[in-house]
Amino acid sequence: GENVEQHPSTLSVQEGDSAVIKCTYSDSASNYFPWYKQELGKGPQLIIDIRSNVGEKKDQRIAVTLNKTAKHFSLHITETQPEDSAVYFCAAPRGGSQGNLIFGKGTKLSVKP
Amino acid sequence: GAVVSQHPSWVICKSGTSVKIECRSLDFQATTMFWYRQFPKQSLMLMATSNEGSKATYEQGVEKDKFLINHASLTLSTLTVTSAHPEDSSFYICSATNLNGYTFGSGTRLTVV
Repeated sequence: GENVEQHPSTLSVQEGDSAVIKCTYSDSASNYFPWYKQELGKGPQLIIDIRSNVGEKKDQRIAVTLNKTAKHFSLHITETQPEDSAVYFCAAPRGGSQGNLIFGKGTKLSVKP
Repeated sequence: GAVVSQHPSWVICKSGTSVKIECRSLDFQATTMFWYRQFPKQSLMLMATSNEGSKATYEQGVEKDKFLINHASLTLSTLTVTSAHPEDSSFYICSATNLNGYTFGSGTRLTVV
């Protein structure tokens, strides 16, 4: 079955610096890769996603890159701000694009002012 | 955009009692909904897949008689934790799929005392 590995588990950066979180997946049939931000006591919020027909997608300070050959995708946050501090999860669908999402273990990002 | 409403946001119950959690898709129809459980500082783990008009599919190790799922309409799925015990205390999150991807509810914090 699908397996999603996420690194690092914790990441601390100075405000204004960039943060990069990486994930690998195992199911070559996966074609949808979302990233979620979860704040304490709340459900996950989608921040960006990418489909397998593109290699990169950007939305203001957030970008996601996808390497299908290597089966990995990364989240890039530039000009980090204290409010970016949260737990970030990558995910990939089991069985292509219709199955449930399998989540990485999460990365706790701390942005120090 | 797609919105999933989950209620209650938190609940405290006595050991041995049952608790029902509701998950509603507000502006779209969801033939499939997913129920996740998240323990502190851990990732989301799929419990079951809820299918409208049919029986839910449970993940290995999840007791179907303890976690009852009903998906009687295209906009509502319910999870009932029966005979709750302290070890069932967790954060329960539902998710629904639509044409644009996956939308998550805000989660329910269950505490069994």
